[in-house]
Amino acid sequence: RKEVEQDPGPFNVPEGATVAFNCTYSNSASQSFFWYRQDCRKEPKLLMSVYSSGNEDGRFTAQLNRASQYISLLIRDSKLSDSATYLCVVNPPGGYQKVTFGIGTKLQVIP
Amino acid sequence: NAGVTQTPKFRVLKTGQSMTLLCAQDMNHEYMYWYRQDPGMGLRLIHYSVGEGTTAKGEVPDGYNVSRLKKQNFLLGLESAAPSQTSVYFCASSYSWTQVPPYEQYFGPGTRLTVT
Repeated sequence: RKEVEQDPGPFNVPEGATVAFNCTYSNSASQSFFWYRQDCRKEPKLLMSVYSSGNEDGRFTAQLNRASQYISLLIRDSKLSDSATYLCVVNPPGGYQKVTFGIGTKLQVIP
Repeated sequence: NAGVTQTPKFRVLKTGQSMTLLCAQDMNHEYMYWYRQDPGMGLRLIHYSVGEGTTAKGEVPDGYNVSRLKKQNFLLGLESAAPSQTSVYFCASSYSWTQVPPYEQYFGPGTRLTVT
């Protein structure tokens, strides 16, 4: 099993739709997680951290499921500007060199 | 604040040539990192630094060297470029690193390197 797995997509959704991505991780001792957004040919930027209790930021909701070892990102009321690649990042124990980025899930919001 | 800047933005090298990529940050961050990003693969850590004068190897360090003589700068060197080093290189920095609480990484705009 890969350390971090994401469906690369693309996910093509109409404007206004709700879309969800999952990211599975293999190290059960991992304690912190992030979602980053990367626009085409640009640098990744932090979208949100993922907390045990789940967290919400406007139209975006992140959840952590420790039992099944995955994190999720839910986007409600999709906008054209949400089109991007969403990277999941997992911090397992063992030092910074163990931080693992997923390959990203590409989202395309269609008018 | 400019955040994290990288120079150059684009470069084409011939096999065997050398070059240095420069990363600078103005956020007084202790930690700095160099990654490469290739199609179908996640960002992979090349080298990182936990403070001025320190460097450490990441996941894919072969063929690269780094130096951090000043806190704000982190240099990535390719001594003898190979086509396998064709990639997009991102520099990043963070205030610190712990598992809990986690610290955000700030990325530079990237350098697109082609080795022919």
